[in-house]
Amino acid sequence: SQQGEEDPQALSIQEGENATMNCSYKTSINNLQWYRQNSGRGLVHLILIRSNEREKHSGRLRVTLDTSKKSSSLLITASRAADTASYFCATDAGSNYQLIWGAGTKLIIKP
Amino acid sequence: EADIYQTPRYLVIGTGKKITLECSQTMGHDKMYWYQQDPGMELHLIHYSYGVNSTEKGDLSSESTVSRIRTEHFPLTLESARPSHTSQYLCASSGDSETQYFGPGTRLLVL
Repeated sequence: SQQGEEDPQALSIQEGENATMNCSYKTSINNLQWYRQNSGRGLVHLILIRSNEREKHSGRLRVTLDTSKKSSSLLITASRAADTASYFCATDAGSNYQLIWGAGTKLIIKP
Repeated sequence: EADIYQTPRYLVIGTGKKITLECSQTMGHDKMYWYQQDPGMELHLIHYSYGVNSTEKGDLSSESTVSRIRTEHFPLTLESARPSHTSQYLCASSGDSETQYFGPGTRLLVL
């Protein structure tokens, strides 16, 4: 069952601009993670935010979590061509480490 | 780079053939997962394992089977491939944390 829904489905911006992606989910969660997938490859973990956290930073990434709205956002600042990829949110709602995935946002950075 | 490997990377096979997709990890992770992902879509969990001799079916109904005889090895087998099995198959593992580490994936085309 799909828990997360990313918005927008696709985003195209100029290099150097900031990119913001959103994720909404349906049930209470323990944590929410963001992953990146380059075309045709496996996923790479970017950042994890726990349900008791509101904001987290990692390099050019900033993640926010609003549990009252059941939503999260991923901000990539000063985008680079190498940031071109699909970005997925995944939620962990139980104690068995299974993740439930959204459909992803496809990000294209134009040089 | 995560130490998780999948072979083959690409496979084109005829209907009715038996195939095994290999997945190995050298991180000593107890938990391993198989996902099916169609292009541009979300990941669907088809099998998972919490350790040796432990396997469970995921949310997506699948005609495949898995085994976990060794901690590092989690192969997926399709007894009789069909065109509807055409997809990308991603293997992942996780240890004590909630983060999952992914292999590069196997792209399967069944003719």
